[in-house]
Amino acid sequence: GENVEQHPSTLSVQEGDSAVIKCTYSDSASNYFPWYKQELGKRPQLIIDIRSNVGEKKDQRIAVTLNKTAKHFSLHITETQPEDSAVYFCAASTRAAGNKLTFGGGTRVLVKP
Amino acid sequence: DAGVIQSPRHEVTEMGQEVTLRCKPISGHNSLFWYRQTMMRGLELLIYFNNNVPIDDSGMPEDRFSAKMPNASFSTLKIQPSEPRDSAVYFCASSFEDSARRFGQGTRLTVV
Repeated sequence: GENVEQHPSTLSVQEGDSAVIKCTYSDSASNYFPWYKQELGKRPQLIIDIRSNVGEKKDQRIAVTLNKTAKHFSLHITETQPEDSAVYFCAASTRAAGNKLTFGGGTRVLVKP
Repeated sequence: DAGVIQSPRHEVTEMGQEVTLRCKPISGHNSLFWYRQTMMRGLELLIYFNNNVPIDDSGMPEDRFSAKMPNASFSTLKIQPSEPRDSAVYFCASSFEDSARRFGQGTRLTVV
């Protein structure tokens, strides 16, 4: 089955700096890669997703890049703000596996004011 | 939409008791997922349904766990008998086909 590795497990950045989280996946058939943000005590919420026919997607201060050859994808947050502090999860799935999302272990991001 | 609705939000029960968690997916969504989240194991998929049919229950920890989806608007996850190691936050999520998965607010279960 699919295995998703996420790094780093914790990330501390100064407000205004950029944050980058990287994920690798094992199943070359995976074709959908969402990113979720989970604030303390709350539900995971989708912040951005990318499909395998796209190499990069951007939404305001967040962007995701996908390298299918290397089987890795990354989340980039620019101009970080204190409200970006949360745990971020990457995930991967394939239609063939019934859309079964496999999550990475999560990255705890702390933005220091 | 009202989002995915889970109940109860918090449950404290004694070891050995039966626990039933409930979920109402977003109307029109045809896939429903049950996840468990702990500090040690992260987000684990327990089981998912497609068009009310269980597709993959390989994540269900053991026979004490069971899940049903009697219709498109309701699902339950039952633990009988409950054990302290079942303490976790249980999330239900739903989606339509391969669209974005939306999570409910979760049920925080504490088994003492």
